[in-house]
Amino acid sequence: NAGVTQTPKFRILKIGQSMTLQCTQDMNHNYMYWYRQDPGMGLKLIYYSVGAGITDKGEVPNGYNVSRSTTEDFPLRLELAAPSQTSVYFCASSPTGDSGNTIYFGEGSWLTVV
Amino acid sequence: QQPVQSPQAVILREGEDAVINCSSSKALYSVHWYRQKHGEAPVFLMILLKGGEQKGHDKISASFNEKKQQSSLYLTASQLSYSGTYFCGTAPTLWGGAQKLVFGQGTRLTINP
Repeated sequence: NAGVTQTPKFRILKIGQSMTLQCTQDMNHNYMYWYRQDPGMGLKLIYYSVGAGITDKGEVPNGYNVSRSTTEDFPLRLELAAPSQTSVYFCASSPTGDSGNTIYFGEGSWLTVV
Repeated sequence: QQPVQSPQAVILREGEDAVINCSSSKALYSVHWYRQKHGEAPVFLMILLKGGEQKGHDKISASFNEKKQQSSLYLTASQLSYSGTYFCGTAPTLWGGAQKLVFGQGTRLTINP
């Protein structure tokens, strides 16, 4: 059971470039999330999805876009990369929408914008 | 509002005990605890729900005081494998989704032989 899988693990982008972080889960979870984690800081929610076709903004959505065409996949798109987007990105999922459920995290994607 | 964790960092010798606190200015329904090793994803430890319960497994346990809006994580007889950064995540309600979870800034725990 793979759980939550993210690609790529590492990426260096130039300012102004765009890229997509891929995320897929095989646990049939309806809820999926994208977080960013800056050095020495906690996790900040970028976007989340409550099911295929439904997405919404989290705490720090500016500069990002998401889509959810299937239950399994939840890609994160960075448009016009900026140095402030240098961070570690975590995709996550949970089976239901209540706050008493475990969140399962992917292994993370390290992104540097230069 | 982001919950506040204390201490920010702690260094212990193997076998010593540690307490990590997580405080919120808002009423809480649930508190999640995760541990993250350097360069890895956060790993789930436990969830505590409103009701002032205490949970634990092995030598790691936690309590949740809803009146004080805080939770504490207890690590007893620490092992080298306990090293890492511990995060709490808090949610004010059951419903509204885990997307309502707000994470603290983390507590860095170092266990030395």
